[in-house]
This record gives sequence, C-alpha cells and structure tokens, in this order.
Amino acid sequence: AQSVTQPDIHITVSEGASLELRCNYSYGATPYLFWYVQYPGQHLQLLLKYFSGDPLVKGIKGFEAEFIKSKFSFNLRKPSVQWSDTAEYFCAVNEDDYKLSFGAGTTVTVRA
Amino acid sequence: EADIYQTPRYLVIGTGKKITLECSQTMGHDKMYWYQQDPGMELHLIHYSYGVNSTEKGDLSSESTVSRIRTEHFPLTLESARPSHTSQYLCASSESGVYNSPLHFGNGTRLTVT
Repeated sequence: AQSVTQPDIHITVSEGASLELRCNYSYGATPYLFWYVQYPGQHLQLLLKYFSGDPLVKGIKGFEAEFIKSKFSFNLRKPSVQWSDTAEYFCAVNEDDYKLSFGAGTTVTVRA
Repeated sequence: EADIYQTPRYLVIGTGKKITLECSQTMGHDKMYWYQQDPGMELHLIHYSYGVNSTEKGDLSSESTVSRIRTEHFPLTLESARPSHTSQYLCASSESGVYNSPLHFGNGTRLTVT
C-alpha cells in the first residue's frame, strides 16, 4: 500500500498568519492526491484534490496545495488563517484503484 | 451535513458482546469503505465494497466482517468485541468509475470495549 507521511503532528498558529502543512508520499508514478479536513465534531470532508494539469490547485476556504513531483510532496497552504481553520488535516493518496491511503493527520490550532 | 449516516455515534460495550455498526448512504454510490481511526494515527482501510455482494478486506487486518446486500447499506459486525477493538470507525462512499472521486464520510462510530 501507498505510504503517506505528514511530519507535523500539531501546529499552532496565530490568526492571520500563514500556514503550510507538509505531505510526502512514496508512490513512484503520479498518484491522485487529496487533502481532507475534519473540524471538531464533524465528519471528514474534502478540501481539494489533484490528479493532473496545473500542479497548484485551489480548494475551498482559501486553501491551496502544490504538487511537486520531484519531491513526492503535496503541501497544503493558506496565506492567512482564521480561527475557524482549527481542525485536523489529512493528506491522502490514491494509486490506481479506489482505495485511499491516509497520513496520520496534522492538528492545527489557530489562536486569536 | 453528511449524506452518509452512521449509527450509533458512540457505543460502550462489554467484552464478548456481538455488535453491528450501521452505515447507510443516500447518494447511490457503488463503492463503500470502512476505515479505522485512532488518535494520531493514519486512517486504516479495513473493508471495502465495489457493489452489491462484493466485499474485500482492506490493508489493515480486522476481525470484523461486513456485508453488502443493498447498495445503500454497508454494516460492520464484530462477533465478539474485545478491548483491542476500541477505536473510531469511519464509513465512506464514492462514485463509480472515477479514480479521483472523493470519499464522502459519515460522522463515525466511537467504540469503547470494556
């Protein structure tokens, strides 16, 4: 199975600051890449996805992610976070079937 | 609001009991999945189904079993619960025929076995 690494377990940022969450995967070819978010008490939901084309993809709530093939990375960014961005963020990879492999998640706490 | 429903949301049960975690979706998706989620750990795929009467084991070995008699329903059963089964169980579904189709998740069932 695919290996997905999210090296940061917990990140605390101030409101208005920028945020970058790291994600690395182990698959050789270009996989399908996703970022999911889980707000407190809610279900996991899709933030954005990449499968081809422009390596910079934009998602909901002002998030974007950049696919860098040479680095096997798919980092998530937001220029200016809000308190409502406090959540757990999961990177996920799909090789060539319908099964997603997830990272361990990064918990983001936004302080006022 | 999720279009995939899991019940119960929380369950505390004693060792040795048989339990069934319910999962239903209203989107007509052929593909359904069960993931196990522990704090600070990856979501692990334990079962999946590509349609009615199709079930497969996932990447993480699990003592649970699943069935898919109807498209919308994908229950997970533990015949004899043990404390090691304590975890959160997430059900998900996705569209057919599209590799990059996102998963739709339910709210999960948090199971505690005492």
